[in-house]
Amino acid sequence: DTAVSQTPKYLVTQMGNDKSIKCEQNLGHDTMYWYKQDSKKFLKIMFSYNNKELIINETVPNRFSPKSPDKAHLNLHINSLELGDSAVYFCASSGRGGDEKLFFGSGTQLSVL
Amino acid sequence: AQSVTQLGSHVSVSEGALVLLRCNYSSSVPPYLFWYVQYPNQGLQLLLKYTSAATLVKGINGFEAEFKKSETSFHLTKPSAHMSDAAEYFCAVSPGSGGSNYKLTFGKGTLLTVNP
Repeated sequence: DTAVSQTPKYLVTQMGNDKSIKCEQNLGHDTMYWYKQDSKKFLKIMFSYNNKELIINETVPNRFSPKSPDKAHLNLHINSLELGDSAVYFCASSGRGGDEKLFFGSGTQLSVL
Repeated sequence: AQSVTQLGSHVSVSEGALVLLRCNYSSSVPPYLFWYVQYPNQGLQLLLKYTSAATLVKGINGFEAEFKKSETSFHLTKPSAHMSDAAEYFCAVSPGSGGSNYKLTFGKGTLLTVNP
């Protein structure tokens, strides 16, 4: 039973479209994240939610809007997709403490044409 | 503020040889330090973590890392490389006691290749 699952695994779309990526965790964690990994494998946090409340919003364009309907779900909606949005997006979850490990989903490869 | 520098974006070793992946950190408070591994087309998995207990930390798959405050380093080692160790390795730092994972900062990764 997958701990952190995200869908879809691959997403190919045209510039200007709007798309969503869904994430669910069954670990009972209060904290969830979205990370972006670029073509050079650099991993950067985008958002963090704790118990449905936005904690971190790391200078991400407002075309990106996270939504957390409950603490087990954190979805990412992207409006007006641009070429530069092409990347792998990872959802993750953890306990709240600074020593807690992150559990990652398997990623969504977004390609904007 | 905190940051992580991984020296060497690509390390290549022979099967059976020592693996050494370097990580130096900068943190304004005593840090927690982590090593994560990413296999192709997968998410990251935790290898090991340092949380201010023993400075020599043992992780999964025979990896270990030593926290050296004087050198601000947390290098990852494995005595004998296996083909299955080929992956991308990420060092990460977060604020220590009293901090949270909200501020976990990753290094740029080191690709480990293992030659037969």
